[in-house]
Amino acid sequence: AQSVTQLDSQVPVFEEAPVELRCNYSSSVSVYLFWYVQYPNQGLQLLLKYLSGSTLVKGINGFEAEFNKSQTSFHLRKPSVHISDTAEYFCAVSDHRGSTLGRLYFGRGTQLTVWP
Amino acid sequence: DAGVIQSPRHEVTEMGQEVTLRCKPISGHNSLFWYRQTMMRGLELLIYFNNNVPIDDSGMPEDRFSAKMPNASFSTLKIQPSEPRDSAVYFCASSTQGHTEAFFGQGTRLTVV
Repeated sequence: AQSVTQLDSQVPVFEEAPVELRCNYSSSVSVYLFWYVQYPNQGLQLLLKYLSGSTLVKGINGFEAEFNKSQTSFHLRKPSVHISDTAEYFCAVSDHRGSTLGRLYFGRGTQLTVWP
Repeated sequence: DAGVIQSPRHEVTEMGQEVTLRCKPISGHNSLFWYRQTMMRGLELLIYFNNNVPIDDSGMPEDRFSAKMPNASFSTLKIQPSEPRDSAVYFCASSTQGHTEAFFGQGTRLTVV
């Protein structure tokens, strides 16, 4: 089974500051990696995903993440945050069988709070 | 497409009552997942179906929980009898073979008093 560790449960930052949300995973097989965002009282929305190829992945809302296989990490970054980025962010890993998505294993989440 | 549709959005019930949560996946998706989200345990996979067949139900907490997928466009998660510790947000998600992304519904917030 896979496991995902999000190293920070809460990250407070000021508006327009850069942010990094950290994620490490454990797996001995090829995986897909995801970041989801959850706004209050909403479902999860996909921010970005890594399947293969370039290790730098760009997503929606100006977020990007870098896959580092040697460190088994998939940290999420944004160079300048907005108040509207305040939400909970989940890192997830999926085992997969070819192109078929397997089950998702989620981290515990990181609450990003952006202050004016 | 309307996305994954869950009903009800909110459910408050008394301990001991039966609760049924419903999910309509995105049309054409053949995998369906039920997740539970709590403060204590985060997001947990309860069960997932592929082509209407349960593939992995190891996350179902106990016999009080059951899930069905009678056809490709509908699934239910039933709790009988419900207990206060079942209070959580339950999410349904769907995906399709070759589509490397799971789409989530808005969730059902269950409160058992």
